[in-house]
Amino acid sequence: SYEVTQPPSVSVSPGQTASITCSGDMLDDNYVFWYQQKPGQSPVLLIYEDNKRASGIPERFSGSNSGNTATLTISGTQAMDEADYYCQTWDTRVVFGGGTKLTVL
Amino acid sequence: EVHLLESGGGLVQPGESLRLSCAASGFTFNIYAMTWVRQAPGKGLEWVSSISGSGSDSVYTDSVKGRFTISRDRSKNTLYLHMKNLRVDDTALYFCAKGWGRSDGFDYWGQGSQVTVSS
Repeated sequence: SYEVTQPPSVSVSPGQTASITCSGDMLDDNYVFWYQQKPGQSPVLLIYEDNKRASGIPERFSGSNSGNTATLTISGTQAMDEADYYCQTWDTRVVFGGGTKLTVL
Repeated sequence: EVHLLESGGGLVQPGESLRLSCAASGFTFNIYAMTWVRQAPGKGLEWVSSISGSGSDSVYTDSVKGRFTISRDRSKNTLYLHMKNLRVDDTALYFCAKGWGRSDGFDYWGQGSQVTVSS
């Protein structure tokens, strides 16, 4: 079955740029979506259709998808961005990545 | 404003059944696909099942095929997940979400309903 892989953790200093990758075979054949989940909360859609920001999402969040890798980029990372991030795509069914814990320190 | 409110979770023994409900409001429920996603304690998101807006199409992850059934009641704006022969590894927080997940993302999520399967 199709799988997508994310790094388990990423660390970034406040104000710097964080990049979270999502890798899968021919990933750009389908759209990639990104979700943010903070502890004890439900996931929130950040990016849809590879690179479109969902309603109300700050401009510092952006996405791309090319070849086998999709990337979520957070520019000027803030402490409030510390959370788990999940990529999601489609291959005859919904596929979630394993999630990446972003630490802002 | 869109609201999704899950209910029906609880503690059951292996082999027992449970029905989750997701009451939807704030959007035209009948034209949107809906999905169940679960999250085991300390783990990531796992897609469980999706149903089309009309209710005519449904898909399941392999581990629940034959045990779970997704359905919707258009008159009640409610999504269901009928779960039978529950296993310990079905223990998770179950979210309902609006969307199908192929060309659309899951743009709204409920708060989740906890299902615990334990003897």
